[in-house]
Amino acid sequence: SQQGEEDPQALSIQEGENATMNCSYKTSINNLQWYRQNSGRGLVHLILIRSNEREKHSGRLRVTLDTSKKSSSLLITASRAADTASYFCAPQNYGQNFVFGPGTRLSVLP
Amino acid sequence: DTAVSQTPKYLVTQMGNDKSIKCEQNLGHDTMYWYKQDSKKFLKIMFSYNNKELIINETVPNRFSPKSPDKAHLNLHINSLELGDSAVYFCASAAGRGDRGYTFGSGTRLTVV
Repeated sequence: SQQGEEDPQALSIQEGENATMNCSYKTSINNLQWYRQNSGRGLVHLILIRSNEREKHSGRLRVTLDTSKKSSSLLITASRAADTASYFCAPQNYGQNFVFGPGTRLSVLP
Repeated sequence: DTAVSQTPKYLVTQMGNDKSIKCEQNLGHDTMYWYKQDSKKFLKIMFSYNNKELIINETVPNRFSPKSPDKAHLNLHINSLELGDSAVYFCASAAGRGDRGYTFGSGTRLTVV
């Protein structure tokens, strides 16, 4: 199993601004997934990007993947207060379990 | 309908007791997992299980044991509870290799006093 490392650990922005968080990992992957965790709740799957993809969009989410740098970024555009949560990346090799990092705590201020 | 449901949501118990947390998924997924989230918010895999194979994280004490009566259930039994077992425990499930994502339950907050 390998662990994704999110950066920054914490991020505060104003409503309407864009939020960018990054993820680095160490070995080759089949895909990378991003999850959100609201306070006191379980993780929610947001988006998955495969190793042969470079960019993917879902609503206000944009994910990029650079396998040469072993890194990914998650961009949330036009942020809302409801986006306040912790965000985790999960690099996956088939047959191995996810090991989550400490996440990025995003605070969107009204 | 809740896809992955855990019970109880909160559990307060004394040191030395034995307790169980139940997990059920109605997604038809092949594999179920238990994760532990500590006070620093690190999520650590404890077990993964499908009907063929149980994979145990070697750092998990043998006081913890998963029990799966059928494909839709993976319960977590904990013997001789210790203070350090206090955490939030999450059950999750996934189809196949998990390459369509994991579905998590809402967690069980265990407090050992």
